Amino acid sequence: AQSVTQLGSHVSVSEGALVLLRCNYSSSVPPYLFWYVQYPNKGLQLLLKYTSAATLVKGINGFEAEFKKSETSFHLTKPSAHMSDAAEYFCAVSDKSNYQLIWGAGTKLIIKP
Amino acid sequence: SQTIHQWPATLVQPVGSPLSLECTVEGTSNPNLYWYRQAAGRGLQLLFYSVGIGQISSEVPQNLSASRPQDRQFILSSKKLLLSDSGFYLCAWSLTSGGAETQYFGPGTRLLVL
Repeated sequence: AQSVTQLGSHVSVSEGALVLLRCNYSSSVPPYLFWYVQYPNKGLQLLLKYTSAATLVKGINGFEAEFKKSETSFHLTKPSAHMSDAAEYFCAVSDKSNYQLIWGAGTKLIIKP
Repeated sequence: SQTIHQWPATLVQPVGSPLSLECTVEGTSNPNLYWYRQAAGRGLQLLFYSVGIGQISSEVPQNLSASRPQDRQFILSSKKLLLSDSGFYLCAWSLTSGGAETQYFGPGTRLLVL
C-alpha cells in the first residue's frame, strides 16, 4: 500500500530564509505526487504536482518541488519565505488502483519576522 | 471555469441533532466527489467518495452517511451527531484522468457539536 510521510508537524523559518518541507512516499509503481497548501479556515489549494514529466516541478507562489526516485522523496522548497507563506502544507500521492489521494499528516509552516 | 460551493460555512449543533451539509460543483460534468474531515490538529480523513450518481463508497465506519442525488451535488448527513463529529468538513471534486487527478476543494464547513 502507498503511504506518505511528512517529517515535522511544525517547521519554523525566518522571513527571507529558505523553506524546506519534507515529503517521502512509498509506492511500488511510479507515483503521481502533489503538494497542497491550506490557509487557516480555508479549503486546500493545489501548489504543484508531479506527473512523470520533468523531475523539478514549479508551482504557484514561488514554490517548487523535486522528485527524487532514488530517495523516494518529493520535498517542497522556496528560496525566500514570506509572512504570507504561513499555512499548513500537505503532500499527497495518487493511489492508481482507485485514483484516490493518499495524504501526509501535514506540516504547519511558521514564519518568524 | 469550475467552482465548488459548500454550505453552511459554520454550524453549531447539539449532540443528538441531525446534520446535513451540502456541496455543489459548477462548470463540469460527471465529477468524482469527496467528503473529508479534519479534526482539530489532525490531518485529512477521507469519509466518502463518489464516482457517479447514487454511487457512494465509505472509507470510515461511523454515524455519517453521504448521498449524491444529482451529478454535481454531494450531501453529508447524520441522524444523530456525536461530540466526536466536530471538525472541519471539506468537499472536493476531480475528473478522472489516469491517476493524475487533481482534487479541487471547497471552502469547508466548520462544525461544532456541543
